[in-house]
Amino acid sequence: GIQVEQSPPDLILQEGANSTLRCNFSDSVNNLQWFHQNPWGQLINLFYIPSGTKQNGRLSATTVATERYSLLYISSSQTTDSGVYFCAVDWAGSYQLTFGKGTKLSVIP
Amino acid sequence: IAGITQAPTSQILAAGRRMTLRCTQDMRHNAMYWYRQDLGLGLRLIHYSNTAGTTGKGEVPDGYSVSRANTDDFPLTLASAVPSQTSVYFCASSDQGAAGELFFGEGSRLTVL
Repeated sequence: GIQVEQSPPDLILQEGANSTLRCNFSDSVNNLQWFHQNPWGQLINLFYIPSGTKQNGRLSATTVATERYSLLYISSSQTTDSGVYFCAVDWAGSYQLTFGKGTKLSVIP
Repeated sequence: IAGITQAPTSQILAAGRRMTLRCTQDMRHNAMYWYRQDLGLGLRLIHYSNTAGTTGKGEVPDGYSVSRANTDDFPLTLASAVPSQTSVYFCASSDQGAAGELFFGEGSRLTVL
C-alpha cells in the first residue's frame, strides 16, 4: 500500500510565528486532505486539495501531485492552532483514505 | 447544525460485555466509516460502508461488526469486548467515498476493563 509520511513529528512555536508542515506520499493519489485534531479531540477537515494551492484565512495548502508532496502553511500562529495535523490520501484502487501519523503542533504564548 | 452525532461520548465497559456505538449523520452522505485512534498508531479504519445495505472490512475489523440499514445510521458493535479494544472511536462520512471530503463525528472514548 501507499506510504504517507509527515514531518516534523513535533513542532513548538511561539505565538505569531509561521510554520510549514509537510506530507510526502509514495504513490500517485486521487486526492489529499488535511485535518486538524484540536486538544479536545475534535477532527476538522481543513483542506481538500488534490493539486494546486488553497487558502483559508491564515492557513494555506499546496499539493504538488507530480512530486508526491503537500505542504500546509500556518501564518501568524495562535494558541488555538495547537493540536495534531494529519494529511490523508486517496490512492488508486483504494476504498479508503490512508492517514499519516500526524504533526503535533504546540503554540505557546 | 448538520453533522455526525456519536453516542455515547464516553463509556467504561467490563470485558466480555456487548457494546454498540451509535453514529447518525444528517448530511445524506453515501459513505460512512468507523476509525479507531490509538496513541502512536494513528487513525485506523475498522469498517466502512459505501452505500446503504453494503459494508466492508477495513484495516482492523476483528472483534467488530457493523450494519447499514439506511443512509443515516451506521452502528458499530463489539460482540464481546476485550481490553485491547480500549480506544477512541470516530465515525466519519463522505459524499463520494474515498474521493470525497471526509467529515468526522466527535468521537466515543471506550475503556474496557
